[in-house]
Amino acid sequence: KAGVTQTPRYLIKTRGQQVTLSCSPISGHRSVSWYQQTPGQGLQFLFEYFSETQRNKGNFPGRFSGRQFSNSRSEMNVSTLELGDSALYLCASSFYRTSGVRHEQYFGPGTRLTVT
Amino acid sequence: DQQVKQNSPSLSVQEGRISILNCDYTNSMFDYFLWYKKYPAEGPTFLISISSIKDKNEDGRFTVFLNKSAKHLSLHIVPSQPGDSAVYFCAASGAQKLVFGQGTRLTINP
Repeated sequence: KAGVTQTPRYLIKTRGQQVTLSCSPISGHRSVSWYQQTPGQGLQFLFEYFSETQRNKGNFPGRFSGRQFSNSRSEMNVSTLELGDSALYLCASSFYRTSGVRHEQYFGPGTRLTVT
Repeated sequence: DQQVKQNSPSLSVQEGRISILNCDYTNSMFDYFLWYKKYPAEGPTFLISISSIKDKNEDGRFTVFLNKSAKHLSLHIVPSQPGDSAVYFCAASGAQKLVFGQGTRLTINP
């Protein structure tokens, strides 16, 4: 069974630009969550999608948005990039509804975004 | 507001000895806890979990202990092996969210 894939793996953008990251979950998984990882901050939850609906959202500004398609693939968009957006963006998929998250999430390798 | 804290950014342990990684949380509504391991250039991988109705869960060399009154959990690795060198994240589940700590970098020395 193929794992979670994320594209692109590396990205360099300049301030003010926008970026779209893509995530393909494990086949059969309907829940996709996005996280931002920065040094010293751990993994910060961005949002979670289940069956094309955003079910939960973290404390990030509106510049961060996402969506999920009918095949469960998900995209994350960041508009008006700032230097502080430089981070590793991780996508995770899971099979069950994440009510209480009784199960583990499976992470992709991440997209390393550098904003200059 | 850091609801899940790993106060040790790094830990160095000799091969064969016990590694103990600690995690504290503040939200008493958390009812499920997980540990993930992360190697460079890879996403985190699930290691072990524990429900709040238990105080210990064991899987091979890995044991997680939960002290609800102290809002503290720990991961024990015995014996530690070189391949255990990685960043370890604890996570707590509640309100349909998974909240992660900042991570602890574990280095196993030969």
